[in-house]
Amino acid sequence: KNQVEQSPQSLIILEGKNCTLQCNYTVSPFSNLRWYKQDTGRGPVSLTIMTFSENTKSNGRYTATLDADTKQSSLHITASQLSDSASYICVVSAIGWGKLQFGAGTQVVVTP
Amino acid sequence: EAGVAQSPRYKIIEKRQSVAFWCNPISGHATLYWYQQILGQGPKLLIQFQNNGVVDDSQLPKDRFSAERLKGVDSTLKIQPAKLEDSAVYLCASSSLTSGNTDTQYFGPGTRLTVL
Repeated sequence: KNQVEQSPQSLIILEGKNCTLQCNYTVSPFSNLRWYKQDTGRGPVSLTIMTFSENTKSNGRYTATLDADTKQSSLHITASQLSDSASYICVVSAIGWGKLQFGAGTQVVVTP
Repeated sequence: EAGVAQSPRYKIIEKRQSVAFWCNPISGHATLYWYQQILGQGPKLLIQFQNNGVVDDSQLPKDRFSAERLKGVDSTLKIQPAKLEDSAVYLCASSSLTSGNTDTQYFGPGTRLTVL
């Protein structure tokens, strides 16, 4: 069973609108959670990273939240642009040498 | 700084053939990772190197996949012989990680492999 579940699997939004992506995880003991953006044909690029004590982190129009008690995170995209069309991947790591656990990603399509 | 370089970008082969991918990490990065990303899924770690030693290869299908990182810099991943289910994007990543896993991984553009 995947330890990182993302929803929705895909979504289509109009340019200028906001959207929120969800990530639920069971990875333990928790170390940190990252959101990556992966453009088509490219490797993933880190957007944000949050540790246990952080509950929000922003990177431009991207804002990530973390609730370590419920093991949930969200990524909010404000005033979406066409360039936001990509797959957004939630990645969770456990303390120590444990491998990163990747979600399957949410495919976002921004339409004019 | 230059990013992670990978080649080739695309490769099409027939099943049972062999193929090799090359990765040059960011200069000075001690840790190098190879991932397999099947369409519609997140990356799956195949192997992790710390300098030229293997840290984790638990998910590497060792009957057909092999990887090496001679001299602790660039790395090659080989598939021999390839199967249809090996069709995927193979991502290489590196980090300056020296302990634990808190450092950010920087990914290359990937090699898209199609096995016919």
